[in-house]
Amino acid sequence: KAGVTQTPRYLIKTRGQQVTLSCSPISGHRSVSWYQQTPGQGLQFLFEYFSETQRNKGNFPGRFSGRQFSNSRSEMNVSTLELGDSALYLCASSLAERQGYYGYTFGSGTRLTVV
Amino acid sequence: DQQVKQNSPSLSVQEGRISILNCDYTNSMFDYFLWYKKYPAEGPTFLISISSIKDKNEDGRFTVFLNKSAKHLSLHIVPSQPGDSAVYFCAAKLYSGTYKYIFGTGTRLKVLA
Repeated sequence: KAGVTQTPRYLIKTRGQQVTLSCSPISGHRSVSWYQQTPGQGLQFLFEYFSETQRNKGNFPGRFSGRQFSNSRSEMNVSTLELGDSALYLCASSLAERQGYYGYTFGSGTRLTVV
Repeated sequence: DQQVKQNSPSLSVQEGRISILNCDYTNSMFDYFLWYKKYPAEGPTFLISISSIKDKNEDGRFTVFLNKSAKHLSLHIVPSQPGDSAVYFCAAKLYSGTYKYIFGTGTRLKVLA
């Protein structure tokens, strides 16, 4: 079974630009969550999508948005990039309501650097 | 408001000895706790979990202890191996209409050969 695939792996963008990150969950997983990892901040929850609908949202500004397609693939968009957006962005998929025991399966992440 | 806290950003342990990673939480509604391990340039991988109705769960060299009255969780690794060197995140699951996972800030474990 293929794992969670995130593309691209690395990205360098300039302040003010926008960026789109992609995540393909494990086949059969309908829930996709996005996290931002920065040193000292751990994993900060961005949002969760299930069946093309946003179910949960973290405390991030409106510049961060996402969507999920009918095949469960998800994209995350950050507009008007700031230097502080430099981070590892992780996508995690899970079996909808049966998340309980195993939680998420994470992708390897997209390392975004804003210069 | 950090509901899940890992107060030690780093820990060094000699190979063969016990590693103890700690995690504190504030919300008594968490019903599951998980530990994830993360190597550089990889996503976190699930390690072990424990239900809030238990106080111990063991899987090989890894044991998780839960003290609900103290709202404290710990991960014991015995014996520690150099391959265990990684960042460890604890996470807590909350159900409030939908499931939500809240992660700690992580502890970097270094096992010295």
